[in-house]
Amino acid sequence: DIQLTQSPSFLSASVGDRVTITCRASQGISSYLAWYQQKPGKAPKLLIYAASTLQSGVPSRFSGSGSGTEFTLTISSLQPEDFATYYCQQLNSYLFTFGPGTKVDIK
Amino acid sequence: QVQLVQSGAEVKKPGASVKVSCKASGYTFTSYDINWVRQATGQGLEWMGWMNPNSGNTGYAQKFQGRVTMTRNTSISTAYMELSSLRSEDTAVYYCARGAWRYFDWLSAYYPYFDYWGQGTLVTVSS
Repeated sequence: DIQLTQSPSFLSASVGDRVTITCRASQGISSYLAWYQQKPGKAPKLLIYAASTLQSGVPSRFSGSGSGTEFTLTISSLQPEDFATYYCQQLNSYLFTFGPGTKVDIK
Repeated sequence: QVQLVQSGAEVKKPGASVKVSCKASGYTFTSYDINWVRQATGQGLEWMGWMNPNSGNTGYAQKFQGRVTMTRNTSISTAYMELSSLRSEDTAVYYCARGAWRYFDWLSAYYPYFDYWGQGTLVTVSS
């Protein structure tokens, strides 16, 4: 199975900061990667798919990049509503897996 | 609008089975896969498997093979996930999620993603 790691596991940031989260796959997955945001007590929300395609309705401050085994999610200017946990997901085969998550907290 | 509405919370004893439902509305039920994802309290997301509501074809994560069964009733646009031989470690919130695909001409490939999610169903396994 393809394993995903995320770094950092936790980050503390301020409103207006630029934030970058990295996701690494144990083997190449082309661009078959999605990013989700989850707030406490809520279902995950799709942010980005195909590594860099912004889901409809998601603010443009979110962006994704990468291919193969290394991917990044960037929030260009952190807003109060962005404090949440972020997960990457590989969809290279019909055995989908999620990364362990990155919690973004208020500094 | 697309909605996935799940059944209510369940409390089960170890060794029992649980069946969670996911009723779809706002789109053609048989045109999109349904995936199941669970999350233990304070833990990450764990993908369990997928089902094609049109064909009934399924695929399960190895961890759940032999214990999970995903089915559907197309007449009422509802998907089901049944987990058997429950143990305390199965205590979690279970989500259904719609699996969608987009074709990119310049890549000549389809790219999948989970675009709509149910509200989650808490399953508690306790003696």
